[in-house]
Amino acid sequence: GAVVSQHPSWVICKSGTSVKIECRSLDFQATTMFWYRQFPKQSLMLMATSNEGSKATYEQGVEKDKFLINHASLTLSTLTVTSAHPEDSSFYICSMGRGNIQYFGAGTRLSVL
Amino acid sequence: SQQGEEDPQALSIQEGENATMNCSYKTSINNLQWYRQNSGRGLVHLILIRSNEREKHSGRLRVTLDTSKKSSSLLITASRAADTASYFCATDARNYGQNFVFGPGTRLSVLP
Repeated sequence: GAVVSQHPSWVICKSGTSVKIECRSLDFQATTMFWYRQFPKQSLMLMATSNEGSKATYEQGVEKDKFLINHASLTLSTLTVTSAHPEDSSFYICSMGRGNIQYFGAGTRLSVL
Repeated sequence: SQQGEEDPQALSIQEGENATMNCSYKTSINNLQWYRQNSGRGLVHLILIRSNEREKHSGRLRVTLDTSKKSSSLLITASRAADTASYFCATDARNYGQNFVFGPGTRLSVLP
């Protein structure tokens, strides 16, 4: 299967700082990239989708100025949580689409103090 | 609104038993997929079943799809302790204006 690398796996930051999460496909080029947020014991909530050659499409209720997504290349996507606050603490997971299947990173646990 | 909804939300069985999880959805789909997530980790793709398929097998996994009832089931046979994880169904309805949507998941515990 395809490999998606996501890092950092865990980050603790102070309120008001920005955090960048990186998602990289190691052995394929991704036409579509997804960013999800997951609260404990809950499902994945799609935050945004970005397709090759276009800007990210954000889901309703997701602040695009707070969660900056940069689809830098076909193998790299970054999510920057700007001016993070404790309510942004969560598990963030990226995935990259290859055909009909999504390949997921291992996730990033963000704790904002 | 929730597209995929699994039941049960939690399932606890003994090693060797079979585990069945169900998923219901609301709209037309291109395909339905099942994923597994170990605690605090990313998701791993298990199996994809297309809208024109009714049943699919992969090792100890058996997936069924009933598009008339808009439901799917995942059966894990001869379960092992290592099968303990959360299982999610996800509907791909991008041709119908829906994004890729995950259900709430079933937390499976297989007791040794």
